[in-house]
Amino acid sequence: AQKVTQAQTEISVVEKEDVTLDCVYETRDTTYYLFWYKQPPSGELVFLIRRNSFDEQNEISGRYSWNFQKSTSSFNFTITASQVVDSAVYFCALSEATTGANSKLTFGKGITLSVRP
Amino acid sequence: ETGVTQTPRHLVMGMTNKKSLKCEQHLGHNAMYWYKQSAKKPLELMFVYSLEERVENNSVPSRFSPECPNSSHLFLHLHTLQPEDSALYLCASSQEAISGGAETQYFGPGTRLLVL
Repeated sequence: AQKVTQAQTEISVVEKEDVTLDCVYETRDTTYYLFWYKQPPSGELVFLIRRNSFDEQNEISGRYSWNFQKSTSSFNFTITASQVVDSAVYFCALSEATTGANSKLTFGKGITLSVRP
Repeated sequence: ETGVTQTPRHLVMGMTNKKSLKCEQHLGHNAMYWYKQSAKKPLELMFVYSLEERVENNSVPSRFSPECPNSSHLFLHLHTLQPEDSALYLCASSQEAISGGAETQYFGPGTRLLVL
């Protein structure tokens, strides 16, 4: 069975601070995919990144960066120089590779990030 | 319209009502999903449709009835709901490859449902 743990439930920072959101996963598969989604107050889950288990390179996209460490089963997300618009709930998710025609996402409980001006 | 749209955005219904949630995807995807998001709980997958056929039903009560008339539309028919069914219902779509993998799911804005 697969599992995603986001141990932090709520984080509050002041604008321009850097913040790291932790994600730890469990799976028995050697091939799997990891995702991060952002859910602003409007409710829609916004896709941020997809990473497969064979690609351990860290990713940077503007102020966002992701650190994938297979040795510790972690896929952490860092926001540099946070802004008020970054305030949202952030979900980490895991999907095992399927041979069928659908993918099943297992989500963590989410981390509520509040960025204060 | 772009992406995944859902209507209505908000819905209040009594326990004896019948209502339907609608989802439409404009991405040309071949798989669609219904999720339930309750307060303080992880997202729960309810139903999966792939190529318009239901491939997953996660032990969802029969008072929730999905319908997928074509690859672009997905409905969730609701009847005799309970107050504990109040939640945010999210629709998603993805383009799945027959060879397998795990493609990205794109979500709609959700319908916030309150059952009185």
